[in-house]
Amino acid sequence: GAGVSQSPRYKVAKRGQDVALRCDPISGHVSLFWYQQALGQGPEFLTYFQNEAQLDKSGLPSDRFFAERPEGSVSTLKIQRTQQEDSAVYLCASSKGLAVYEQYFGPGTRLTVT
Amino acid sequence: ILNVEQSPQSLHVQEGDSTNFTCSFPSSNFYALHWYRWETAKSPEALFVMTLNGDEKKKGRISATLNTKEGYSYLYIKGSQPEDSATYLCAFKTDSSYKLIFGSGTRLLVRP
Repeated sequence: GAGVSQSPRYKVAKRGQDVALRCDPISGHVSLFWYQQALGQGPEFLTYFQNEAQLDKSGLPSDRFFAERPEGSVSTLKIQRTQQEDSAVYLCASSKGLAVYEQYFGPGTRLTVT
Repeated sequence: ILNVEQSPQSLHVQEGDSTNFTCSFPSSNFYALHWYRWETAKSPEALFVMTLNGDEKKKGRISATLNTKEGYSYLYIKGSQPEDSATYLCAFKTDSSYKLIFGSGTRLLVRP
């Protein structure tokens, strides 16, 4: 079956621009996670959804970052007024539910802010 | 602050060599330990999920062990092949959260 997909795969933004990153989870997966991977580091948690409810957004680095999942399926991570330090790979993962261990990852969106 | 450490940071081996990496994590509030393989331009691929102290898992030439009391896991690759070249990530999950806490990975390069 289809895995997690993310778009765009690559995004170049000028400093100050707003960007929107999309995640299509595996069909039927109720849990959705966003992670940020800076160069040379491991992925770091940003936020988590259970269906349309955002249950944990403790990892969002600033109020310029906003995530939504209005219908409990597709999710969008929006970054307003991008800064150079936002340059990273943004990974989305989905899971069948809280009691199931596996998180299945998409290929990520590489964001470069110039 | 929960910290996951992986070593070595990078590793270059010859085809046919066997190799292993280490993942260290906090031994308290343990719930699960995940291993992922991440090839460039692809999605991270789940290798193992381990939950019990003493767990050993195997998939082909790759195996992993878990020690939750001392807070470490080893990943072994037997007879490395060029297609094993990737970054290997471990991630730790506590019993109070559903997020994964990742190490910075071990980058493996297998030379033909």
